[in-house]
Amino acid sequence: GQNIDQPTEMTATEGAIVQINCTYQTSGFNGLFWYQQHAGEAPTFLSYNVLDGLEEKGRFSSFLSRSKGYSYLLLKELQMKDSASYLCAVRDSNYQLIWGAGTKLIIKP
Amino acid sequence: IAGITQAPTSQILAAGRRMTLRCTQDMRHNAMYWYRQDLGLGLRLIHYSNTAGTTGKGEVPDGYSVSRANTDDFPLTLASAVPSQTSVYFCASSDEGETGELFFGEGSRLTVL
Repeated sequence: GQNIDQPTEMTATEGAIVQINCTYQTSGFNGLFWYQQHAGEAPTFLSYNVLDGLEEKGRFSSFLSRSKGYSYLLLKELQMKDSASYLCAVRDSNYQLIWGAGTKLIIKP
Repeated sequence: IAGITQAPTSQILAAGRRMTLRCTQDMRHNAMYWYRQDLGLGLRLIHYSNTAGTTGKGEVPDGYSVSRANTDDFPLTLASAVPSQTSVYFCASSDEGETGELFFGEGSRLTVL
């Protein structure tokens, strides 16, 4: 079956760096997405990786290794507003999105 | 720009009742989706539509139906609600750009008693 694994919860300190990992086993691969979801709100798009390597976008970066079925989202200079759930999703060979359960990130002052 | 509008925002419903969740987008996206989100689980696709006039079943379609009469509207109907359909429902759309990222509505929280 298809599976996306990411940690359930992580805690980090304001101003620090945190890495959220995502491993996947899917039928084919046509891109990996990271979304941010604040409590009670809709998910919003953060990043997209389809080739191996690092994509940087401001304080957020996303890395992909297709051979390892692995991605991470790196958040730098953490701010309290970064407290949210981070969802990893993979688009499979049928162009359907397979979603992880999300990682709840708690930022402490 | 409104993006995607869902209604109602929240609803409490008696089991056995019929309920339609409305979804409208103004981005002229061809593809639209309905997901449900439950604690501890990833978003699960209920139904989707690649273009007006066509629909398809997702991962968890049982008990739900959709229609796509035009590009903008994609309503989700629960013919006879059951408590297991208590969830947060998100409507989404995607464009045909390089990423095909999803744009989500604000969600509809449904409680079936």
